[in-house]
Amino acid sequence: AQKVTQAQTEISVVEKEDVTLDCVYETRDTTYYLFWYKQPPSGELVFLIRRNSFDEQNEISGRYSWNFQKSTSSFNFTITASQVVDSAVYFCALRTNFGNEKLTFGTGTRLTIIP
Amino acid sequence: NAGVTQTPKFRVLKTGQSMTLLCAQDMNHEYMYWYRQDPGMGLRLIHYSVGEGTTAKGEVPDGYNVSRLKKQNFLLGLESAAPSQTSVYFCASSLLVFTDTQYFGPGTRLTVL
Repeated sequence: AQKVTQAQTEISVVEKEDVTLDCVYETRDTTYYLFWYKQPPSGELVFLIRRNSFDEQNEISGRYSWNFQKSTSSFNFTITASQVVDSAVYFCALRTNFGNEKLTFGTGTRLTIIP
Repeated sequence: NAGVTQTPKFRVLKTGQSMTLLCAQDMNHEYMYWYRQDPGMGLRLIHYSVGEGTTAKGEVPDGYNVSRLKKQNFLLGLESAAPSQTSVYFCASSLLVFTDTQYFGPGTRLTVL
């Protein structure tokens, strides 16, 4: 069985603060893929990043960075210098390589950036 | 290039009515998926398709049917709507294998009274 846990249901920070969204996953497969999606108030799901289990390099894209640690089964997402446009629900998702066609989503973290 | 589109965006049904949700993608993707999103539960896979003419059950398939007659379209049908099917429905597609990135449509908000 596979599972994704996003323990932070809601987070509020003041604009320009840094914020980290936690994601912990469970899987018995050695090959798997992790994703982050953003769901802004308009409702669509926007793909942010995909990481495979063999690539533990951290990634930075502008104000966004991701910290993948297999030792703790975590794939955390940090927004630096947050902006109001970052307000959204963020989902972490897991997909394994064999016999599993679906993305297993976490329950999401609602991030509110206070101006 | 519109990506993944869904029609309609909103719909209200009465219990027992039927309807079809349409998903279309213009990215020539082989794989297409239907998910439902419910509060506090993330997204759950209803049905999926690995290519034209093929469909398969996902995590929560009961009460739904699907068809993929054309590669670019994936239809989700509710034969007899129930209040438990009130949800937001998302269609997604991916280029090839399961592990490829899935791109989502804008969603359809369905209310069953």
